[in-house]
Amino acid sequence: QQPVQSPQAVILREGEDAVINCSSSKALYSVHWYRQKHGEAPVFLMILLKGGEQKGHDKISASFNEKKQQSSLYLTASQLSYSGTYFCGTENIGQGGKLIFGQGTELSVKP
Amino acid sequence: DTAVSQTPKYLVTQMGNDKSIKCEQNLGHDTMYWYKQDSKKFLKIMFSYNNKELIINETVPNRFSPKSPDKAHLNLHINSLELGDSAVYFCASSRGQGNTGELFFGEGSRLTVL
Repeated sequence: QQPVQSPQAVILREGEDAVINCSSSKALYSVHWYRQKHGEAPVFLMILLKGGEQKGHDKISASFNEKKQQSSLYLTASQLSYSGTYFCGTENIGQGGKLIFGQGTELSVKP
Repeated sequence: DTAVSQTPKYLVTQMGNDKSIKCEQNLGHDTMYWYKQDSKKFLKIMFSYNNKELIINETVPNRFSPKSPDKAHLNLHINSLELGDSAVYFCASSRGQGNTGELFFGEGSRLTVL
């Protein structure tokens, strides 16, 4: 079951913040976040494994609410280099090894 | 020194032809994957192999046949190509088995079927 991301697209000015949400209809073991720039391969950002876990990666952080089967990616003080498509990937409990990606959120950061 | 490398990067071919994409990883990972990304950027898992053994076959038409001669290589052969096969195919690898760790993707192979 594919997770659902929102919003589908975001346009920001440099320095602004953004939140990307990812939700699943099934119980989750883990949530992964990747960023893909145009014409390139997806690049790993982080994995969240425990309910309520929060992780940070420079000015990009994420939370995972196991009970709500949701994760959010927080981008603070956005930089031009943050532009790209962000994908969440989810692994359902009992389906280890099968990472299913959401439809992606396109983020554009303007000067 | 590329961690996950795919060849070729571009393929343009006619409907009905057969084509192969090769993938190699030098990370010492046990698990390798094929993902398909369509024109709407939807990234869909196709197959995964762990130590040459097929683990996931995600209801892909049997025109697609993966082969893993050893744990560092995972090739994809596609028979009787159709227009809908046009996409970017990404190979990826991860450490261990069971739950997915960090995926390292190759640069992708863009297949165009005319």
